[in-house]
Amino acid sequence: DIQMTQSPSAMSASVGDRVTITCRASQGINNYLAWFQQKPGKVPKRLIYAASSLQSGVPSRFSGSGSGTEFTLTISSLQPEDFATYYCLQHHNYPLTFGGGTKVEIK
Amino acid sequence: EVHLVESGGGLVQPGGSLRVSCAASGFTFENYWMSWVRQAPGKGLEWVANINRDSSEKFYVDSVKGRFTISRDNAKNSLYLQMNSLRAEDTAVYYCARGPVSGDYVRWFDPWGQGTLVTVSS
Repeated sequence: DIQMTQSPSAMSASVGDRVTITCRASQGINNYLAWFQQKPGKVPKRLIYAASSLQSGVPSRFSGSGSGTEFTLTISSLQPEDFATYYCLQHHNYPLTFGGGTKVEIK
Repeated sequence: EVHLVESGGGLVQPGGSLRVSCAASGFTFENYWMSWVRQAPGKGLEWVANINRDSSEKFYVDSVKGRFTISRDNAKNSLYLQMNSLRAEDTAVYYCARGPVSGDYVRWFDPWGQGTLVTVSS
């Protein structure tokens, strides 16, 4: 199975900060990676697919990059509505596997 | 608007069975892969199962193989998950999620339903 390791697992940041979340795959997954946002008590929402393609309707402050084994989700200027938990997902091989999540909290 | 609505969750004893359903609307259901993803209370997301458009391909996470069965009825725009031999560790919110359209293997898990809670306890 491909292990997806997200870092950090939690972080505190302020409105306006640039935030970077990393996801490392235990083996190469090309660009078969997606990023999801989940707010407390809410349903997950896809932000990025194919490692760097922005989901329609998602603000442009979100961006994804990477290929192979290392990927990043960047929020260029953190907004109040961005405080949430973020997950990466690899869909290169079965079983599909999520990262453990990164909780972004208010500093 | 694409809409997914799960139903059928509830309390079941260990060793018991339950079937959860997902009603889809707003898109051509028969053209898409469909999935189940679960989230145990306070935990992260775990993919459970996928099914392709004509049910000829089904995939499962190892922990549910032989106990869970994913199925679909394209005439009813519905997705199902039959869960047998349930264990306490199966307790979770079960989400259905749309996969990619056939021929596109990139756009997984958008959108998601609101989820249905399955609790396995005596």
